[in-house]
Amino acid sequence: AQSVAQPEDQVNVAEGNPLTVKCTYSVSGNPYLFWYVQYPNRGLQFLLKYITGDNLVKGSYGFEAEFNKSQTSFHLKKPSALVSDSALYFCAVSPFSGGYNKLIFGAGTRLAVHP
Amino acid sequence: AAGVIQSPRHLIKEKRETATLKCYPIPRHDTVYWYQQGPGQDPQFLISFYEKMQSDKGSIPDRFSAQQFSDYHSELNMSSLELGDSALYFCASSLDQGGKTQYFGPGTRLLVL
Repeated sequence: AQSVAQPEDQVNVAEGNPLTVKCTYSVSGNPYLFWYVQYPNRGLQFLLKYITGDNLVKGSYGFEAEFNKSQTSFHLKKPSALVSDSALYFCAVSPFSGGYNKLIFGAGTRLAVHP
Repeated sequence: AAGVIQSPRHLIKEKRETATLKCYPIPRHDTVYWYQQGPGQDPQFLISFYEKMQSDKGSIPDRFSAQQFSDYHSELNMSSLELGDSALYFCASSLDQGGKTQYFGPGTRLLVL
């Protein structure tokens, strides 16, 4: 079965410190990979995606993600966390099924950045 | 920049009633997706449309149906509502399919009593 795993329910980090939110996936073929962020009572906001090319992808708000094919991982990173980064982060994959259509989401990781 | 518009934002229904959720994609976007997010859960894909044709189908109950109209807006029709249908329903749109970035609307929060 196709799945996305975010092993940490919550990540706590001090403001100014680097952060990592982990994501691994179990999908056949070469899926497209995405990160979205959700603030309370808001929709999902796109951060970044990986389709092909460089393994390090840069996205919005200073976030980046590293694709590792051998480990089937796509971890989200930021060099210096801000309190305003506190939100719910979802990793998602788009498997090829007659085209890349639906997104399969992980369970989400709540990021808490403390002053 | 224009975003995905969903209406209504909140909806309260009784069991066995029907509900219609509307989604207006970003201008020029021709692909629409519907997702259901239960309390404390990740979004689950329901169905998608490309150029007014159904392009993919996920875990959408038979009680639900959807379509995309000539102006590319989409409607999700839900009948015989059950308590378990209470959730946040997201619509997303993209310019073409094929891995294009999906941009999400603010969601419709449905409460079934």
